[in-house]
Amino acid sequence: VQLVESGGVVVQPGESLRLSCGASTVTFKDYALQWVRQTPGKGLEWISFISWDGVSTYYGDSVKGRFTISRDDIKNSLSLQMHNLRPEDTGLYYCVRDVGRYCSGGACYGYDYWGQGTLVTVSS
Amino acid sequence: DIQMTQSPSSLSASVGDRITITCRASQRISDYFNWYQQKPGKAPKLLIYAASTLHDGVPSRFSGSGSETDFTLTISDVHPDDFATYYCQQSYTFPHTFGQGTKLEIE
Repeated sequence: VQLVESGGVVVQPGESLRLSCGASTVTFKDYALQWVRQTPGKGLEWISFISWDGVSTYYGDSVKGRFTISRDDIKNSLSLQMHNLRPEDTGLYYCVRDVGRYCSGGACYGYDYWGQGTLVTVSS
Repeated sequence: DIQMTQSPSSLSASVGDRITITCRASQRISDYFNWYQQKPGKAPKLLIYAASTLHDGVPSRFSGSGSETDFTLTISDVHPDDFATYYCQQSYTFPHTFGQGTKLEIE
């Protein structure tokens, strides 16, 4: 495992949570980064993207306006700020790195590094 | 959103068999197409990207082909380590959508 996520916990609906992802042997610099979640019901679901330079961000419709992705290349880290959490946000959240450099959005190639996932549970 | 439809949803095979999994995209996606392998309790692993490029360290018994809407993953000689779930994915446009998965089981 070369990416390490943290921050997943049990929260109540409407609460906020911040996920983090770091890497000690994999560089984030020059690579786009993304968040993907996995649930038994919906399978693998792409959540959010941030371009290699941090200029462009994209979100899935289910999280748009509630989640914010950010990166810090000096700290080699990725974050996902999650607000107004809903039960349907429950899942295992993975941070991933693009296989190719300099992807700015849309058409990119696959994700070569994944973390082990961090579990977010939204329940009252 | 682009829909990715994999078939079959499950597949039984024996060690040494040749198997093929297919995936169809609901729109043309050029070669922005990837295959992943996932084992229970583990994160997915990239096998093939750009439809046919083998990722580093992936055995040559894995191969991918196709373009635009129709893609295949072939394992030429199934090894015991290959029993897992396989996912296809389009990375042509957001949201980057995945197929529902194909579980390869021991016959």
